[in-house]
Amino acid sequence: DQQVKQNSPSLSVQEGRISILNCDYTNSMFDYFLWYKKYPAEGPTFLISISSIKDKNEDGRFTVFLNKSAKHLSLHIVPSQPGDSAVYFCAASAAGNQFYFGTGTSLTVIP
Amino acid sequence: AAGVIQSPRHLIKEKRETATLKCYPIPRHDTVYWYQQGPGQDPQFLISFYEKMQSDKGSIPDRFSAQQFSDYHSELNMSSLELGDSALYFCASSLYVVTGELFFGEGSRLTVL
Repeated sequence: DQQVKQNSPSLSVQEGRISILNCDYTNSMFDYFLWYKKYPAEGPTFLISISSIKDKNEDGRFTVFLNKSAKHLSLHIVPSQPGDSAVYFCAASAAGNQFYFGTGTSLTVIP
Repeated sequence: AAGVIQSPRHLIKEKRETATLKCYPIPRHDTVYWYQQGPGQDPQFLISFYEKMQSDKGSIPDRFSAQQFSDYHSELNMSSLELGDSALYFCASSLYVVTGELFFGEGSRLTVL
């Protein structure tokens, strides 16, 4: 059973606009959430994280929002750039144990 | 900065053969995770090690085994290979005491013919 879900397999956004990637989870014990970015033929690279004690974390153009009551998190990229085109995975863990990944959303930023 | 090193990057095997993948974590990282990513799928957790002991187990088949050695590198051994084992195998490392991100290697692509 998928504990972390990304319901949008793909997303296309115009350069300069905002990209919003969504992620839902089912396990209320998850207390740490991360976003990874993956280019073809490379391993995922860490992008940004958020602990369950926060509802927002911002790092440059990337902001992650956490809504614990809805068991939902989102990644906002603004402004989007062509180099942001990649597959984005959200991941969650409980007390630093195994990390559960979503199925990924392929973002295409159109110049 | 040193990253997670995986070898080999590509491996082709026949059905029923055995394969071994190696992972060298970032220096001073004490935790290693193995993930399997099939075509069009998300990374599936296989197994993890903390301080050379198995710390967690996921959807790892009985035909697979893994261990972490005294130098913290890890090896994933896969026997009686099946066509469905064809996938990208990622190793990731982290510092267990710090709930932080996983640092992934570039992956080892296994093709079973």
